[in-house]
Amino acid sequence: GESVGLHLPTLSVQEGDNSIINCAYSNSASDYFIWYKQESGKGPQFIIDIRSNMDKRQGQRVTVLLNKTVKHLSLQIAATQPGDSAVYFCAEATPPYNFNKFYFGSGTKLNVKP
Amino acid sequence: DSGVTQTPKHLITATGQRVTLRCSPRSGDLSVYWYQQSLDQGLQFLIQYYNGEERAKGNILERFSAQQFPDLHSELNLSSLELGDSALYFCASSVASYTYNEQFFGPGTRLTVL
Repeated sequence: GESVGLHLPTLSVQEGDNSIINCAYSNSASDYFIWYKQESGKGPQFIIDIRSNMDKRQGQRVTVLLNKTVKHLSLQIAATQPGDSAVYFCAEATPPYNFNKFYFGSGTKLNVKP
Repeated sequence: DSGVTQTPKHLITATGQRVTLRCSPRSGDLSVYWYQQSLDQGLQFLIQYYNGEERAKGNILERFSAQQFPDLHSELNLSSLELGDSALYFCASSVASYTYNEQFFGPGTRLTVL
């Protein structure tokens, strides 16, 4: 499939371990955030979102933490599986949330070792 | 499979040429989005159409244009191509124009400009 981000930072974890992927955002006015997963040869896929009135949101095996003070977002994946291997990137948005107000990070490549 | 189809999968052309990328949204989705993803770059929003009308515009070059047809499929036209236009181009679709967490991405078209 297509390779995305040959020079992205890479996180290598053992299958079954927890993964933490970080994202720093720059705009203090951003108040809506999304995490995406992009597997090789595929388009991005929504994972989880969070609004700035929350510090934490949980999904299935994933948790997003938001620290507005330091403008930092993290995605935690519990019990990482080989199928989690992909590029993960965050997006930040400011009101009024038109799509031209979404800014996407370049991502982190997660490599899960069996 | 997201249900969004894009053709062609790969496209190789020369500088100065013009190409057309095609996207068929998921059945029932009225909104179509186009994104550009260059190597090592984050996703860049280009343009959004909703039910045939332009809804939001991002950093889309004047050499690029798009349209959404009555059957809701969309085309992205890229003209006077330059080397820097080489990238992955993704189309996404959603039911409404503001469902940020319900965008479904196609597999992308890899454009190589030589």
